[in-house]
Amino acid sequence: DTEVTQTPKHLVMGMTNKKSLKCEQHMGHRAMYWYKQKAKKPPELMFVYSYEKLSINESVPSRFSPECPNSSLLNLHLHALQPEDSALYLCASSQEHRGGTEAFFGQGTRLTVV
Amino acid sequence: GENVEQHPSTLSVQEGDSAVIKCTYSDSASNYFPWYKQELGKRPQLIIDIRSNVGEKKDQRIAVTLNKTAKHFSLHITETQPEDSAVYFCAASRNDMRFGAGTRLTVKP
Repeated sequence: DTEVTQTPKHLVMGMTNKKSLKCEQHMGHRAMYWYKQKAKKPPELMFVYSYEKLSINESVPSRFSPECPNSSLLNLHLHALQPEDSALYLCASSQEHRGGTEAFFGQGTRLTVV
Repeated sequence: GENVEQHPSTLSVQEGDSAVIKCTYSDSASNYFPWYKQELGKRPQLIIDIRSNVGEKKDQRIAVTLNKTAKHFSLHITETQPEDSAVYFCAASRNDMRFGAGTRLTVKP
């Protein structure tokens, strides 16, 4: 199984809502990533978890809160977002984040903030 | 942190021609250089990668070359086909993975 599964596929939320994005992989990967991708732009790194610990936070606003409950799951909790946060949110995983290994991407959650 | 530059931003070729996309990186400690293809509305898919201890790698019509001294790497696609049309991203990785700005490749039949 080389799948990274993200739910939901689409999400529309108001600026006062709280929602969560979920990501799951069963490849035994120990590194998991959140990326944000705006239209016609490259994926932009947000967070890296290594062995269930947050190892990189790219100065992401606190309205985005990541969580890694176990080695297979990665969540992104959203609160008080702005319309400019509308984007495709991609989760990825790799065997580990040091030493350079292939990253597998989920299909993404397309988020619209209204 | 790592900074990856990618050129050109758009590339149009005739079917059967070759396409070359070039990237440079800033962090000499980066040791892994993947290339991703992303079709409209889909996830990035790895097409080829190269590690810093290798200078060249080939997989059928796709090849990647790496010049560590100059800190640049390139993607070569030969005998292009219309289904190669997509956005291609290079990336450089040490303990994270950062992408170049992307190249929109169009292969005209």
